[in-house]
Amino acid sequence: IAGITQAPTSQILAAGRRMTLRCTQDMRHNAMYWYRQDLGLGLRLIHYSNTAGTTGKGEVPDGYSVSRANTDDFPLTLASAVPSQTSVYFCASSGDSGKAFFGQGTRLTVV
Amino acid sequence: GENVEQHPSTLSVQEGDSAVIKCTYSDSASNYFPWYKQELGKGPQLIIDIRSNVGEKKDQRIAVTLNKTAKHFSLHITETQPEDSAVYFCAAIGNNDMRFGAGTRLTVKP
Repeated sequence: IAGITQAPTSQILAAGRRMTLRCTQDMRHNAMYWYRQDLGLGLRLIHYSNTAGTTGKGEVPDGYSVSRANTDDFPLTLASAVPSQTSVYFCASSGDSGKAFFGQGTRLTVV
Repeated sequence: GENVEQHPSTLSVQEGDSAVIKCTYSDSASNYFPWYKQELGKGPQLIIDIRSNVGEKKDQRIAVTLNKTAKHFSLHITETQPEDSAVYFCAAIGNNDMRFGAGTRLTVKP
């Protein structure tokens, strides 16, 4: 692993199903973020974590949960997916410099 | 929380011309302002950044200016090339809560 990795790259999910998007970084960055990107709305912050063991809510947290059990991993869970959660999801991490690095994204379609 | 506004939403320039994208932010505690370039199907990539103790920063054809009093910052691309065509995002960071502008789709016509 080099940098920040997301999985899966894409997924089609039935409404009502539970889904976890995975994010792993090997840069030992303290801060990690989840964003969703919708056409015309840019990147909107869902949840963030300043350090392992802590999480915070962003602009659009409803319907999503996160955990930060260790420095490297920051999974995002949709407990019961709805069509409005169809989007491209990006995970990012940043270290002491504040420079953030993004994963390649997960394209999620809820039908 | 922080609110970042970005203009214009689309920008079309002729190859060789300059392009300017502007952003404003609301939280005076924000102290770090990166700019990202996103190409189709890829994640955003950092192209330049500026901290609140600096007014201007330049890296080859790209420059960023910051006016803390007015709470706005701008990206300047000179001598644009077709490969500069992409979506550009500004962001403002304070307390590790990184918020983005809505993005600018830049098209450089050959």
